[in-house]
Amino acid sequence: KAGVTQTPRYLIKTRGQQVTLSCSPISGHRSVSWYQQTPGQGLQFLFEYFSETQRNKGNFPGRFSGRQFSNSRSEMNVSTLELGDSALYLCASMLGVASYEQYFGPGTRLTVT
Amino acid sequence: KQEVTQIPAALSVPEGENLVLNCSFTDSAIYNLQWFRQDPGKGLTSLLLIQSSQREQTSGRLNASLDKSSGRSTLYIAASQPGDSATYLCAVSITDSWGKLQFGAGTQVVVTP
Repeated sequence: KAGVTQTPRYLIKTRGQQVTLSCSPISGHRSVSWYQQTPGQGLQFLFEYFSETQRNKGNFPGRFSGRQFSNSRSEMNVSTLELGDSALYLCASMLGVASYEQYFGPGTRLTVT
Repeated sequence: KQEVTQIPAALSVPEGENLVLNCSFTDSAIYNLQWFRQDPGKGLTSLLLIQSSQREQTSGRLNASLDKSSGRSTLYIAASQPGDSATYLCAVSITDSWGKLQFGAGTQVVVTP
C-alpha cells in the first residue's frame, strides 16, 4: 500500500510570492492534516480536512489556506510569503472514522528568501 | 490549553542499554496518544498509538505506557541499537479533534556503538 506522498519535496520562493503544496493520502483515508515544523516552534497544527470539509483549524493567519478534493488529495496555499514561513510542511492522513492513527508524508521543505 | 512536554530534550546512551523517554500532558481529557520517530530532515514514522482507555501498547522492542490520570506516557526501547538514533516525539489528540495532534518538542536520542 503506497504511503502519503507530498509534492514538491523542496521549494525556494521569494518574499511576497505565493505557494501551493500538494498531499496525496493513503488510499481509503478520508482525513488529511497539515503541520508546520520549525526549529523554534516545533510541530504546529495548521488545519485538517475530512471529506472535503475543514474539520479543525490551528492558529495561523488567513494567508494559510487549504482545500481537499473528492479523491481526498489536499492542497495548502500560502499567500504573500514571509521569511518566517520557511519550514518543513508535513501532511498526515488517517481513515478519519473509527481509526485515528495518523501517517505522515516526507514533507515539503519551503525556503523563503 | 493542552501543553505537551518531553524531558529530557536530548539523551545519549551506549548500544545495548534500554531507553526510557518521557512525555507529559496537562489536560487528561485526551482521546489517544501517539509516539513518532523522526530522522533528520524527514517525515514522521508512527511507532505506537495508545487509546485513552489503554494502559500500554507493545511492538517488538518498543513498549509505551499511558497514565491518563497523572498526564504521563513513557516509551521504553529495549536493547538500543545505533539505528535507534533519531528524535522521538509524542503527540495527543482530543475527542472531536482527532485530526489535530498536539506535539511535544521531542527527545533527540543518540545511541553510540
